Amino acid sequence: DTAVSQTPKYLVTQMGNDKSIKCEQNLGHDTMYWYKQDSKKFLKIMFSYNNKELIINETVPNRFSPKSPDKAHLNLHINSLELGDSAVYFCASSQLVGQTEAFFGQGTRLTVV
Amino acid sequence: GNSVTQMEGPVTLSEEAFLTINCTYTATGYPSLFWYVQYPGEGLQLLLKATKADDKGSNKGFEATYRKETTSFHLEKGSVQVSDSAVYFCALSDQDDYKLSFGAGTTVTVRA
Repeated sequence: DTAVSQTPKYLVTQMGNDKSIKCEQNLGHDTMYWYKQDSKKFLKIMFSYNNKELIINETVPNRFSPKSPDKAHLNLHINSLELGDSAVYFCASSQLVGQTEAFFGQGTRLTVV
Repeated sequence: GNSVTQMEGPVTLSEEAFLTINCTYTATGYPSLFWYVQYPGEGLQLLLKATKADDKGSNKGFEATYRKETTSFHLEKGSVQVSDSAVYFCALSDQDDYKLSFGAGTTVTVRA
């Protein structure tokens, strides 16, 4: 059983399109995250949710909109995709906010052409 | 705010060599410290962690000791294998911070 699963694994799309990435965790965790990893492997937090409530939005363009229908799911919708959005997006979850390790999904490699 | 500074790579080693990756941190509180590993094409996996000063985390032959006096959490392995080739990330979190703060990552390549 995959602890944190995200779909799709690869996403190739044209500029201007709207796309979504889905994430589900079966660990019973209260906190979920989206991270962006650029081509140099640098990881940047985008959003943190705790009990379905947004608690971090790290200067992400408002074209990116997270949605948490329940504690086990955190989806990422991206409007009007740009070339600079190409990256690997990771979903993660943790039991508690801070102090505990996070479990990561396999990542979604988004390529905007 | 919290931050992590990590030794820049890439690092290339021969099999059975000794590996050290330096990591220092800045934090306002009492953070937990982590090392994550990312194998090619995969997500991040927790390698080891330490939650308080002088704790030593260890896993798969890797070790790191939480040094509050030097604000460091250096990763070491005595004898690396080709299968250790990966990107290694140092990270921290604390109770007041709703995220993991990551270092820039260090790419390690081990040659047979």
